[in-house]
Amino acid sequence: GAGVSQSPSNKVTEKGKDVELRCDPISGHTALYWYRQSLGQGLEFLIYFQGNSAPDKSGLPSDRFSAERTGGSVSTLTIQRTQQEDSAVYLCASSFRTRNTGELFFGEGSRLTVL
Amino acid sequence: AQSVTQLGSHVSVSEGALVLLRCNYSSSVPPYLFWYVQYPNQGLQLLLKYTSAATLVKGINGFEAEFKKSETSFHLTKPSAHMSDAAEYFCAVSFPYSGGGADGLTFGKGTHLIIQP
Repeated sequence: GAGVSQSPSNKVTEKGKDVELRCDPISGHTALYWYRQSLGQGLEFLIYFQGNSAPDKSGLPSDRFSAERTGGSVSTLTIQRTQQEDSAVYLCASSFRTRNTGELFFGEGSRLTVL
Repeated sequence: AQSVTQLGSHVSVSEGALVLLRCNYSSSVPPYLFWYVQYPNQGLQLLLKYTSAATLVKGINGFEAEFKKSETSFHLTKPSAHMSDAAEYFCAVSFPYSGGGADGLTFGKGTHLIIQP
C-alpha cells in the first residue's frame, strides 16, 4: 500500500485478555518499529526489526509483550494478560534503514483501552 | 548516550503570531536532527530534518529550524501561526554512523501547540 497500515484502529479489551495488533509496512522498507505513546509520555520505543537480523527487543516493558515479523513484511505485536497500564496508542513505523537517515514513516496507530 | 529535551509540554500562540518550539540535544558526535508533527488521531509525519548540510532547514507548511552546534539546539519556528498548525510536535535525534538498532533514533516527549483565534 501507499503508507503504513495498522489494525485495528481502536481496541477495547478487558483486563487479563490477550490482544494482537497488526502492522503492514510500506512495501520495500526493511526496517519496522513499534512505539507506544501514552498521554504526556512521548514515544516509548518497544521493538525494532531490520531485515533478517534478530530484533532489538530492548524496549519491551515486560515479558507479556512480544512481536514477530513474518516474511520480512507484516508484523504483529501481542500483549498477553493485558493490564490497565497497557492502555495507550501503539504506533508502527517503517523505513529504509540501510540509508540510516532516521526518517520513519508512521501508521495512524492502534488505540488500546484496557478496562 | 544521546538525549533530546523539548522545553514546554504545551505552547500557546495567537493566530498570526510567531511559533517557536524549543529542542535541545545531548550527544558526543554530530547528530542528525528531525522534527515530526502529529495531527489529532494520526501518526507522525516528518516536518523537516538536518543531516549535516545547511544549518537552516526549511520544511513543509512554512516551518523551519536552525541547527546551532554551539547551543546544541534545533528550535522549530514559523513566522505566522495558522489554526491548522495545532498539533503535537516531536523533536528527534539520530546518528549517521550508528551500527544499527532503533536506539539510533531518540524522540523528545513532545510539545502540544495550541493556536488561539
